[in-house]
Amino acid sequence: LAKTTQPISMDSYEGQEVNITCSHNNIATNDYITWYQQFPSQGPRFIIQGYKTKVTNEVASLFIPADRKSSTLSLPRVSLSDTAVYYCLVGYMDSNYQLIWGAGTKLIIKP
Amino acid sequence: EAQVTQNPRYLITVTGKKLTVTCSQNMNHEYMSWYRQDPGLGLRQIYYSMNVEVTDKGDVPEGYKVSRKEKRNFPLILESPSPNQTSLYFCASSSLAGGLQETQYFGPGTRLLVL
Repeated sequence: LAKTTQPISMDSYEGQEVNITCSHNNIATNDYITWYQQFPSQGPRFIIQGYKTKVTNEVASLFIPADRKSSTLSLPRVSLSDTAVYYCLVGYMDSNYQLIWGAGTKLIIKP
Repeated sequence: EAQVTQNPRYLITVTGKKLTVTCSQNMNHEYMSWYRQDPGLGLRQIYYSMNVEVTDKGDVPEGYKVSRKEKRNFPLILESPSPNQTSLYFCASSSLAGGLQETQYFGPGTRLLVL
């Protein structure tokens, strides 16, 4: 059964690096891993997407091991404004292709 | 400005009174989708559409209808709302140029309370 699993919540402090891991054992061969960020009372918004190894943009890095069964979103030097829910989205191929969202990780940054 | 709009943003209704939540996008996207978000359950897909006149069920379609008569609009219809449909609803759209893994753009959400 395809499933995208991530921790329910995490706490950290300003200035720290935060790593959020997503498990996706049955990811489709050709599919990407995508992360979204959601602030209260807003829709999710795209952060980063990757297929393998490492991807970096101005906001985050995404680390994907060779077996692609998991991925880690890395937020460098977080600030209070990074407090949000982070979602992992992965595609699976079973009888048909489907996108499955993780349940979201609520990240709380403390001063 | 590229955006997805939803109306209304907040709605209180009573059981059984038909309602429609509108969704519109100005990015000429082929793919549109409706999600509901409930505490502890994340985002669950209700219906999606790959293009005009093409719609399909998501994970939780019961009690909902959709239509895609125009590319830019994708209304969500609750024919006979019930209290268990009280939720936060999001519409999203994306291009299909790279397949279903293209970035999804979300609307601001519609908070629905069914009494």
